[in-house]
Amino acid sequence: DTGVSQNPRHKITKRGQNVTFRCDPISEHNRLYWYRQTLGQGPEFLTYFQNEAQLEKSRLLSDRFSAERPKGSFSTLEIQRTEQGDSAMYLCASSPHWPTSSGNTIYFGEGSWLTVV
Amino acid sequence: SQQGEEDPQALSIQEGENATMNCSYKTSINNLQWYRQNSGRGLVHLILIRSNEREKHSGRLRVTLDTSKKSSSLLITASRAADTASYFCATDAGRGSTLGRLYFGRGTQLTVWP
Repeated sequence: DTGVSQNPRHKITKRGQNVTFRCDPISEHNRLYWYRQTLGQGPEFLTYFQNEAQLEKSRLLSDRFSAERPKGSFSTLEIQRTEQGDSAMYLCASSPHWPTSSGNTIYFGEGSWLTVV
Repeated sequence: SQQGEEDPQALSIQEGENATMNCSYKTSINNLQWYRQNSGRGLVHLILIRSNEREKHSGRLRVTLDTSKKSSSLLITASRAADTASYFCATDAGRGSTLGRLYFGRGTQLTVWP
């Protein structure tokens, strides 16, 4: 039983370049989430998918950010025209569907570190 | 904001001692989760406690929840050096909130000395 897989684990890029991160959720989890974490802070929600549908986006997700989940399996998070302020760890998480909100364990991946220089 | 706050921000203890971390939040919740994060790594889920539960155990972990005070505590008994990590509590935003949208505090950095 594999966990949430993210790659690359580390990415250093020059300001203005585009970067893309990939997330493979736990198999059969139909909910997938992206969070961002900066040093000394807790993770912050960016967006989430139920199957292939992107159902919610945080205001943190500027128009330079786009996330997709084609076919409801893996997901990609692309950041265009990167800025130094984008430097952070991008965490992907997944969870199974459940009929009520009485229990929702969210499983996180190891994260993808982005450094914009 | 629903963001939780952990207290203390940092905790340093000797192996064998117990470690207690607290979390406060602002609005009603459906459940509260505790996570551990080793430096530079992802988050590892420790325990989930539902809003109608008051206490939950998992191995050396004991979590309590007081919804009237909007607070939770995580107790790690007989700590080990391997418990050194940051600990985060995460809440949802209660009834009608997006399932899986969690709100985290800044965490408690626990250091356990051998």
